[in-house]
Amino acid sequence: QVQLVESGGGVVQPGESLRLSCAASGFTFSTSAIYWVRQAPGKGLEWLTFMRSDESIKYYAASVKGRFTISRDYSKDTLYLHMGSLRPEDTAVYYCAKDGGNYNVDYWGQGTLVTVSS
Amino acid sequence: QTVVTQEPSFSVSPGATVTLTCGLSSGSVSTSYYPSWYQQTPGQAPRTLIYNTNSRSSGVPDRFSGSILGNKAALTIRGAQADDESYFYCMLYISSGIWVFGGGTKLTVL
Repeated sequence: QVQLVESGGGVVQPGESLRLSCAASGFTFSTSAIYWVRQAPGKGLEWLTFMRSDESIKYYAASVKGRFTISRDYSKDTLYLHMGSLRPEDTAVYYCAKDGGNYNVDYWGQGTLVTVSS
Repeated sequence: QTVVTQEPSFSVSPGATVTLTCGLSSGSVSTSYYPSWYQQTPGQAPRTLIYNTNSRSSGVPDRFSGSILGNKAALTIRGAQADDESYFYCMLYISSGIWVFGGGTKLTVL
C-alpha cells in the first residue's frame, strides 16, 4: 500500500533553516508528482509546492517562494523540503502528498510538526 | 489573489443529505479547475474523497459525490452518519501551477 512518512520536524528559531524528508513506498516514486501542504495550528490546509516526477517543473506558493525548495532523491525514494529563513508564521504540520494525476492529491503522509519560535 | 470560499460550518441531521460548496471570490468554478475534496478529523491527516470534480477516490463510499452546482463545486453527502462529523476542504487548480485550498467547512452531525 502507498505510504508517505515525513520526518525532520522540530523546534527552530526564526531565521534558521530545516530540511524535512518524506520516505515513499508502495508506488512508483520515480513517475509520481509530489506536493507539500501545511496546516498551521487550528487553521486550514495551505498548498506550498508541487514537483513533477522528472523534476522538470516545480511550483511554489507566494508565501514560501524563494525560501523553500523541493527536491527528491530517486535512489532513496525520498522527497525533501528545504526550508530557509523560517518565520514564526511557518509554524505548522507539514504533509507530503502524492499527486493523483488530475491536479489533486490522492495519498497523504501523516505529517511532521515544525515550530518556529525564539 | 484568488480566494476559494467554503461555508465555515454546516449542521446536518443523521440520515439527511447535505451539500457543501466551493466557490471563487471572483468568477465561477468549472471543471477546468479540477476541484477535489478532502476530509479531515482533528489530529489526523486529510483523506481524499473526490477528485476531478466528481470521481471518487478508492474506498470512498458512494454516499459522497461531487459536482458543479451553478458557479461552484459541490460535495454532497447522502445519509449523513455520525462519523462524517469532520472538516471538509476543497482544492482548486487555479492555473499556471497554483493550487488553492478553501478555508474548510466544519460539518456537525446532530
